[in-house]
Amino acid sequence: GEDVEQSLFLSVREGDSSVINCTYTDSSSTYLYWYKQEPGAGLQLLTYIFSNMDMKQDQRLTVLLNKKDKHLSLRIADTQTGDSAIYFCAPLGRTGRRALTFGSGTRLQVQP
Amino acid sequence: DVKVTQSSRYLVKRTGEKVFLECVQDMDHENMFWYRQDPGLGLRLIYFSYDVKMKEKGDIPEGYSVSREKKERFSLILESASTNQTSMYLCASSFGEGNTEAFFGQGTRLTVV
Repeated sequence: GEDVEQSLFLSVREGDSSVINCTYTDSSSTYLYWYKQEPGAGLQLLTYIFSNMDMKQDQRLTVLLNKKDKHLSLRIADTQTGDSAIYFCAPLGRTGRRALTFGSGTRLQVQP
Repeated sequence: DVKVTQSSRYLVKRTGEKVFLECVQDMDHENMFWYRQDPGLGLRLIYFSYDVKMKEKGDIPEGYSVSREKKERFSLILESASTNQTSMYLCASSFGEGNTEAFFGQGTRLTVV
């Protein structure tokens, strides 16, 4: 099955940029998602990228995809304390698959 | 707004008990999922269902079963709870296959003593 790896923890200062990285193994992944989990809550979709794209920008969020290295990153510009959460990378592999495989999640801590 | 509702936020059960975790979604989604979340391990798929009475095993189905008698409801059953099933359980639903957003419930924190 798919393996998805993320570093467990990232700490940044308010106003800095945050970069959360993810590597995956399934080269047939079609859509690659980023989900956010705030304390005490379920996960919410943050953004996604289709596998034929290299980059997607959405306000403060930039997603970069390197298909050759199977590497996905999420950059948050001007990080705010409200961005403190756990961020999960989740590729959707092969056509017709319905269930997402999640990484371990990266806990982002934003220092004021 | 899509809503996925899990019946309990917190549960404490004894070893050997049969435990039912209930999940209801209100958006007529085909797919429903049960994940467990453990620190450092992320979310691991236990079971999912893509239609009424249909189910497929995920990555860690041992010790669990599921039931989907109605489209909106998906139940996770621990036949005989054990302490290593102490975890956060998350239910999710989505529509169809391919690029589709998964909507999550708030989670049930289960402690088995």
